[in-house]
Order: sequence, then structure tokens, then C-alpha cells
Amino acid sequence: GAVVSQHPSWVICKSGTSVKIECRSLDFQATTMFWYRQFPKQSLMLMATSNEGSKATYEQGVEKDKFLINHASLTLSTLTVTSAHPEDSSFYICSARVQFSTVRGTSGVYEQYFGPGTRLTVT
Amino acid sequence: EDKVVQSPLSLVVHEGDTVTLNCSYEVTNFRSLLWYKQEKKAPTFLFMLTSSGIEKKSGRLSSILDKKELFSILNITATQTGDSAVYLCAVASGGGADGLTFGKGTHLIIQP
Repeated sequence: GAVVSQHPSWVICKSGTSVKIECRSLDFQATTMFWYRQFPKQSLMLMATSNEGSKATYEQGVEKDKFLINHASLTLSTLTVTSAHPEDSSFYICSARVQFSTVRGTSGVYEQYFGPGTRLTVT
Repeated sequence: EDKVVQSPLSLVVHEGDTVTLNCSYEVTNFRSLLWYKQEKKAPTFLFMLTSSGIEKKSGRLSSILDKKELFSILNITATQTGDSAVYLCAVASGGGADGLTFGKGTHLIIQP
């Protein structure tokens, strides 16, 4: 259980174009998904929190008009990189939150399962 | 600002050795600490820890959390070459939706 998929796995695009990345929870519903970015040899950095039915919450320094997030259903969140530039080239990873509800005293604690990631190269 | 620090950054050992990876954190309103293994693609979930002193175990891997001293360790016994990966420690904190703060990771290389 708790499988998360991403599409595409790898995309190369020209500078100035927009790219859409999909994140799907395959066997569960996810009211909350997260988008992370990972540059080479660095750790994952949280970009934004995607909430089904409401606006995404962006981390400091992440431009909401450049990275458009839409969480249209309980199983799908999309990240659109608008007017992509070479510095946007990175590994984009989504995760979905799963309630960890079986342990006493841990209400409000969640596990996160990651998608396989999308490698974006902007030329 | 939340901070997660892992050590060592890099570690090379021989097959069969036991390794201990460290993770310390400074966060507001700690909720949980998670360990992930990352090979070439996205991280795969290993453990989630919420309570101090309770060891989580899965095969040759085990982990424990100390909420008083604000750290966690990940142990791998009888290491194999397939254990070579970057091991990431992450913390969920605050009143938000549990977006994770990651450490820089420990790059573990197991030599045959």
C-alpha cells in the first residue's frame, strides 16, 4: 500500500516553456501532498504543501506564480513550472501524507511516502 | 528556523561491518522523525519515530529516538553492498501540515 506515482519521470524542455508534473496516490486518498526539490548532491527542500480543494502553501523563497500547484482531487496534485529557466533544472519529488493512526498517542502524526521523482532539464 | 544535522556526511566501510548514523535536530513543536534511504531515485521510507526510547527494527536496520537530547540514530548491522545509499533524516514539526525538514544525508558506501 501507499504507492505514489509521478509523471513524467524525465523531461527536457526549452527555456521559456512550461512543464507540468503530476503526482498521484495510487491506492489511497491524500488530502495533503508535498512538493520537494533536490539539486545535485543536496538534500530535499520542501517547496510547497498542496491541499485538496484549497490553495497551496508555499515555503519562503518559492515563487507561487512560477510554481503553480493544483490539487484537483484526492489522488492527484500537479506542479507546473512556468517559463522554465536552466536554473529550474532539478529533481522534483512529491510525497503524500498518510495518517499514522494505529499507534496510541500519535494522533496528528503522519507518514510520508514519496513518488519516484521527475528529473527536469531546461536547456 | 528548523534544523536537522546528520553525521557523518560520508562513510565507507567493508561488508559485514556495523554502522551507526546520527541525526540531531532543533525544531519547534516536534511531531515525528523519519528515516529514508535514497539510491538513485526518490527516498524510500524506513522508519518513523515519535516516542523516545522505543527501538524500531526492520531486519538488519534499527533506529531509536531521544527526545530529551534531540537526536536519533540509525543502525545497520552486517552491512551488505546493497546498503550503499544516502540515508536521509527528516523531521516533521510545527502546527502545519507536516512538510518535512531534511538533513543533508549520510552517504554510505559498503565495499565488498
